[in-house]
Amino acid sequence: AQSVSQHNHHVILSEAASLELGCNYSYGGTVNLFWYVQYPGQHLQLLLKYFSGDPLVKGIKGFEAEFIKSKFSFNLRKPSVQWSDTAEYFCAAALQFGAGTQVVVTP
Amino acid sequence: DTGVSQNPRHKITKRGQNVTFRCDPISEHNRLYWYRQTLGQGPEFLTYFQNEAQLEKSRLLSDRFSAERPKGSFSTLEIQRTEQGDSAMYLCASSLSTGRDIQYFGAGTRLSVL
Repeated sequence: AQSVSQHNHHVILSEAASLELGCNYSYGGTVNLFWYVQYPGQHLQLLLKYFSGDPLVKGIKGFEAEFIKSKFSFNLRKPSVQWSDTAEYFCAAALQFGAGTQVVVTP
Repeated sequence: DTGVSQNPRHKITKRGQNVTFRCDPISEHNRLYWYRQTLGQGPEFLTYFQNEAQLEKSRLLSDRFSAERPKGSFSTLEIQRTEQGDSAMYLCASSLSTGRDIQYFGAGTRLSVL
C-alpha cells in the first residue's frame, strides 16, 4: 500500500536553530510531493511542492525541501527558525499524508 | 473570501443520527476532495470528484458515508447512523486538474458524536 512516513512526531527547538523534518514515501514511479503547514487555529496551507526538475525546491517563509529519488525521501529544511514557525507540518505524496510533525519554537 | 468554504464549522450529534456537511470549492476548480483527520494524525483521503463524477473512493469510506457533487460545484458529505468513531475533523479541498494539482483546503467541519 502507498504510504508516507514522517520521522518525528514532535520537535522542540530554539529560535535561530536549524530545522530538518524527514519524510519518506512508498510509491513507484512519478509522484507529486508536497509539504503543508498548519498554524495554530488555521487551516492547512501549502508550503512547497515538487513535481519534476530541480530536486531542491524552495517554498514560502524560507523553507526548502530536497527530493532524493533513490531514498524515496522529501525532507524539509529551514536554516534558522522563528517563533512564528511553530506549527504542525505534513508531508504528502499524491493523496496520502503523513501523520504530521508538531514543531514548537521557543523564544 | 474566495477560498474553500465548509459548513458547518462544528457539528455535535448523538450516536445514530445522520449528519451532512457542505463544501464550496474555489469557483474555477473542477476537482474536489474530502479527507478525515483525527487527533495526532494527518488527513486521510476519503474521496474525490472531477466535476460531478466521483472518481476515487477510499476503503475508509464505508457504506454509511456518501458524497455527492450534483452540479460539479459544491459537494455534500453525508454520514448515516453516526458512530463515536466518526468523530473527527472533515476537510474539503479543491484543485484545478492540470496534472500538477495543488489542493487548497478549507477550515474543516469538526464532528463530535456523543
